[in-house]
Amino acid sequence: EIVMTQSPVTQSVSPGERATLSCRASQSVSSNLAWYQQRHGQAPRLLIYGASSRATGVPARFSASGSGSEFTLTVSSLQSEDFAVYYCQQYNNWPPTFGQGTKVEIK
Amino acid sequence: QVQLVQSGAEVRKPGASVKVSCQASGYTFISYGINWVRQAPGQGLEWVGWTSTYNDNTDYAQKFQGRVTMTTDTSTSTAYMELRSLRSDDTAVYYCARDGGGGVLWFLDVWGQGTTVTVSS
Repeated sequence: EIVMTQSPVTQSVSPGERATLSCRASQSVSSNLAWYQQRHGQAPRLLIYGASSRATGVPARFSASGSGSEFTLTVSSLQSEDFAVYYCQQYNNWPPTFGQGTKVEIK
Repeated sequence: QVQLVQSGAEVRKPGASVKVSCQASGYTFISYGINWVRQAPGQGLEWVGWTSTYNDNTDYAQKFQGRVTMTTDTSTSTAYMELRSLRSDDTAVYYCARDGGGGVLWFLDVWGQGTTVTVSS
């Protein structure tokens, strides 16, 4: 199965600053990659699909890029509600697999 | 609005079974499949499997094959996941999540609130 590796494990960022999260696949997943946000005690929420398309209702401060095996999620100016855990997921190869998550915490 | 509402928390002893439900509303149930994803305490997300909502097709992660059964009831727009021979390491929050219309290999665009399953003697 494809292994998804996210880095860093934890990122400490001040409100209003930029956060950049990485996700690497053990082999190419084309653009079949999604990003999810999980706030504490809540269910995950789809942010990005197709590697770079924002889901309905997702603010424009969230952007994503990449293809093949290297992907990036950027939050341009962190708001209080953005401090959460972010997961990438590949859906190119069976079984669908998730990264281990990156926690974005308040610096 | 589109939503998935799951059944309440469950506590089971090792070796028992549990059946979790996920009721859909706000969209045409048979147009989207349902995935099940679990999250052990303090851990990441793990895909358990997928079920079609318009035929009997299912697809289970290898580690759960033989222990899990996913079904749907179109008359009530409800999906079910039954997990048998429970072990302590099955303790987790179980989420149902709608596929985006693309089947088992697709992103998950709507999630239920989660059901906590605790396995303890």
